Amino acid sequence: EVQLLESGGGLVQPGGSLRLSCAASGFTFSSSAMTWVRLAPGKGLEWLSAISGRGTDSHYAVSVRGRFTISRDNAKNTVYLQMNSLRAEDTAVYYCAKSVPPSSFPPSPPFDPWGLGTLVTVSS
Amino acid sequence: QTVVTQEASFSVSPGGTVKLTCALSSGSVSSSQYPSWYQQTPGRAPRTLIYSTNIRSSGVPDRFSGSILGNKAALTITGAQADDESDYYCVLYLGSGIWVFGGGTKLTVL
Repeated sequence: EVQLLESGGGLVQPGGSLRLSCAASGFTFSSSAMTWVRLAPGKGLEWLSAISGRGTDSHYAVSVRGRFTISRDNAKNTVYLQMNSLRAEDTAVYYCAKSVPPSSFPPSPPFDPWGLGTLVTVSS
Repeated sequence: QTVVTQEASFSVSPGGTVKLTCALSSGSVSSSQYPSWYQQTPGRAPRTLIYSTNIRSSGVPDRFSGSILGNKAALTITGAQADDESDYYCVLYLGSGIWVFGGGTKLTVL
């Protein structure tokens, strides 16, 4: 069974940093791209970042580019999201998800499954 | 910046049919954006309903279907049930590894 478990969330002051982790099991991690998505209170889902299976390619939403960094350790089956210069508007539940390229064959859901999420609160 | 737009809210009667749409600020939505739909219930992880425009995810009832309607992607729920009351999000692929979610539609069944 595929399982994803996020950790590392918590309360951080504006301007601070936090590193989220997502531990994966039940699939060949090094062959799978991974994605981070967040859900802010009263707002919608926001795609943040994705990384290829080998970690050689990464992509970011404009809203977090330059502040957030995605990385992975395939030996530990873990993907990370380093978040710097945090702002109040970064307060959200952060989810990781197993992802596939859109042109993959056979077609597959772009993000599936998802972890249960970890809450990040940015406040003084 | 490209924006993906969904209806903020929608209401449907039990047993009724509703079409939720997903539009792109920069032009028409096509299968090239691999439209996908997710259901989000408070406190739970998002659930995949539809991907690649019209492929139903495993275990999703056939009352959920996806399509392209005109220049938008659409999620149709036929025979709405009370437990379909939820938030629904579309997501589109913009190329170069970038995805964008719509703002979500809050569906009320009453």
